[in-house]
Amino acid sequence: EVQLVESGGGLVQPGGSLRLSCAASGFTFSSYWMHWVRQAPGKGLVWVSRINSDGSSTSYADSVKGRFTISRDNAKNTLYLQMNSLRAEDTAVYYCARDPPDYCSSTSCYTGTMDVWGQGTTVTVSS
Amino acid sequence: DIQLTQSPSFLSASVGDRVTITCRASQGISSYLAWYQQKPGKAPKLLIYAASTLQSGVPSRFSGSGSGTEFTLTISSLQPEDFATYYCQQLNSYPLITFGQGTRLEIK
Repeated sequence: EVQLVESGGGLVQPGGSLRLSCAASGFTFSSYWMHWVRQAPGKGLVWVSRINSDGSSTSYADSVKGRFTISRDNAKNTLYLQMNSLRAEDTAVYYCARDPPDYCSSTSCYTGTMDVWGQGTTVTVSS
Repeated sequence: DIQLTQSPSFLSASVGDRVTITCRASQGISSYLAWYQQKPGKAPKLLIYAASTLQSGVPSRFSGSGSGTEFTLTISSLQPEDFATYYCQQLNSYPLITFGQGTRLEIK
């Protein structure tokens, strides 16, 4: 069964740090680009970060750039999100999601489509 | 940044109804659009990608259409399990992905 399982969420004070993990199973993790997406309480989905299959290329939303770092360990089939200098507005459920490499037509590839999601891990930033 | 505006934000409908949700992009995005369904307390689920391609395993009562700046998600005959929140997502400005604000579909 294809599965993503996040962990590492919790309560942290403003200015603190947290590292989220996303354990992948049931597929060849090293072949897929991966994303983190978050959802504040009662709000919509917001893309946070993405990493390519070998970890050599990363991108971030402006709201987290310079504070968050995405990484992966393909030997451990695990995706990470290191979150530093946390703010109250970072409070959210954080999801990891898989980005399939083969969602293509004859003319275009739809990179960024997220076909498998984890169940999410909750991060609360509060004093 | 490309903005996505969904309408309506809230929709009340009955089992068996045909419903349509619209997603408008602030600039042309070709067919770089996906639709997701999210139920309370659960992760989003991919329904449609490339504006109109049905994801494997998704019932055929779901369909997507559109190109450029206007897109629609249609559910041909609502089932009880379809009551959820729906999000569109644009990939045109990848990696700067954005989602619409969501459309909450509730039972009338």
